[in-house]
Amino acid sequence: KAGVTQTPRYLIKTRGQQVTLSCSPISGHRSVSWYQQTPGQGLQFLFEYFSETQRNKGNFPGRFSGRQFSNSRSEMNVSTLELGDSALYLCASSNPPSTGDGYTFGSGTRLTVV
Amino acid sequence: GQQVMQIPQYQHVQEGEDFTTYCNSSTTLSNIQWYKQRPGGHPVFLIQLVKSGEVKKQKRLTFQFGEAKKNSSLHITATQTTDVGTYFCAGNTGGFKTIFGAGTRLFVKA
Repeated sequence: KAGVTQTPRYLIKTRGQQVTLSCSPISGHRSVSWYQQTPGQGLQFLFEYFSETQRNKGNFPGRFSGRQFSNSRSEMNVSTLELGDSALYLCASSNPPSTGDGYTFGSGTRLTVV
Repeated sequence: GQQVMQIPQYQHVQEGEDFTTYCNSSTTLSNIQWYKQRPGGHPVFLIQLVKSGEVKKQKRLTFQFGEAKKNSSLHITATQTTDVGTYFCAGNTGGFKTIFGAGTRLFVKA
């Protein structure tokens, strides 16, 4: 089966701009989570969506937002980009925890803010 | 808020030596997961532990979940160069947020 697809793979943006990242989960997975990965901070939880509803949110400013569509595809948006937003953004899809399958991560979008 | 601490941050071993990484949560976990991320790659799910005191093995890897469901460990016996990467634990308290530890980066010298 196809894995989690994230687009674009690489992105360079200027400070102050906004960006939208896309994630297509594994077929049948209804939960999509987003993480920010930086060398110094590890994997930081951004938010989790299930059936188009945001069920939980991490400690990120309001500039970070997301949504999920009826086909489970998800997007995240970062407005007014700052240099510190440069990171690898990972999307992960999953079945309910009771299945024991864990998260399947996409290859990520590497965002560089200059 | 919920925190998951993982130690050590780095570990250098000679090929053939054993390796262990430890994970501690500030709160009781409903389950804990382990992931491996190869350099330049993305995290890949290894295993999920759910029961208190649970021990699971995958070839040379042994995973343990503490009795209080607040700590966990991953032990690799006789490391190989293919074990190189960062190992993350990830704890869930039953909600819809999984918190990752900072990871342990394993270096294996041939």
